[in-house]
Amino acid sequence: NAGVTQTPKFQVLKTGQSMTLQCAQDMNHEYMSWYRQDPGMGLRLIHYSVGAGITDQGEVPNGYNVSRSTTEDFPLRLLSAAPSQTSVYFCASRGIRQGLNEKLFFGSGTQLSVL
Amino acid sequence: GESVGLHLPTLSVQEGDNSIINCAYSNSASDYFIWYKQESGKGPQFIIDIRSNMDKRQGQRVTVLLNKTVKHLSLQIAATQPGDSAVYFCAELQTGGFKTIFGAGTRLFVKA
Repeated sequence: NAGVTQTPKFQVLKTGQSMTLQCAQDMNHEYMSWYRQDPGMGLRLIHYSVGAGITDQGEVPNGYNVSRSTTEDFPLRLLSAAPSQTSVYFCASRGIRQGLNEKLFFGSGTQLSVL
Repeated sequence: GESVGLHLPTLSVQEGDNSIINCAYSNSASDYFIWYKQESGKGPQFIIDIRSNMDKRQGQRVTVLLNKTVKHLSLQIAATQPGDSAVYFCAELQTGGFKTIFGAGTRLFVKA
């Protein structure tokens, strides 16, 4: 299994540009989520999904959109990039069936710079 | 508000010594806590977890202690090795179960 796969690994954008960060998992996990990690800070939850067609906001959702059309994929869209969105983005997933350990499986991250 | 925080941003230990990383939480309703390890350039990886009905849980070279009275948990690493050098995060899975909230992290340096 590949686990959680994120693309691209690095991206540079200009202010105002839009882009989509891709995330895919092959573990048949119902739950998927996006975090951002800024220097000296922990991971902050942006959006999450508990299944296809279901999404919800996390701690810092403004400026980001998500959708969940399949179990495997959970893309994160930046509508109009701002320098404050310069960060490392992580996608994470887990199963949510009863009895499962609630540990998250993380991708390797996307480093985004907005100039 | 609800938060998960760490007491120290960095910790430096000698190889072979034991390491203790601390974490405080503020939500009395928190019932599940997880420790993650993040190596440079990688995503966090699960180390060990503990539920609020337990005070202690042991894994391979790691032990997590939970003190619900003072809302504190700690991660103990026995015989710390250079490969343990990383950032360690405590995380809280809030009641309701879909938002895992992370603390700021502690960077562990292991001196040879």
